[in-house]
Amino acid sequence: GNSVTQMEGPVTLSEEAFLTINCTYTATGYPSLFWYVQYPGEGLQLLLKATKADDKGSNKGFEATYRKETTSFHLEKGSVQVSDSAVYFCALAGSARQLTFGSGTQLTVLP
Amino acid sequence: DGGITQSPKYLFRKEGQNVTLSCEQNLNHDAMYWYRQDPGQGLRLIYYSQIVNDFQKGDIAEGYSVSREKKESFPLTVTSAQKNPTAFYLCASSQLRLAENNEQFFGPGTRLTVL
Repeated sequence: GNSVTQMEGPVTLSEEAFLTINCTYTATGYPSLFWYVQYPGEGLQLLLKATKADDKGSNKGFEATYRKETTSFHLEKGSVQVSDSAVYFCALAGSARQLTFGSGTQLTVLP
Repeated sequence: DGGITQSPKYLFRKEGQNVTLSCEQNLNHDAMYWYRQDPGQGLRLIYYSQIVNDFQKGDIAEGYSVSREKKESFPLTVTSAQKNPTAFYLCASSQLRLAENNEQFFGPGTRLTVL
């Protein structure tokens, strides 16, 4: 079956530091890949997505590239802000159209 | 504004009582989903529905029930058979056109605490 493995957290960074959160997946076929963000006490919001190999999703300074050869979709941001503090989830959608989520990575950005 | 609403935001129940969580969407989406989130864990799928009057079990359906009588509504009942019901419950919806990439839109969640 499908699975998503995310970098263990929590991650604590200083403001303006570089962020990488690793995500690798196992799936048959050609899944779509997503990063969702969850702020405290709220639901999930879609941050970015990629639907085929070598696609780069980007939003609010965050980027992730769909790497089929390494089955990865790592999330990056060049300069984090305090307001980026949240939980980040990597997810994939396979042929059955169901989302499979990673366990989430808690990010805390200190001023 | 289009979106998904869940009510209530916080819910307290005594052990042994059934409780129903509401989820409504005005996005005209075909599919709706219920997830459970526990601290430090990812989301686990409870039930989903791709069409009115039809639904399927997810990974952790035991102790839960759902109905889909209207396209815009997908209530979840947490029954007394659910052994550990205290959790954060998230509802989501998506469109199922072939050209779409299965993006799901989430509601704000309901935090259920069983005392």
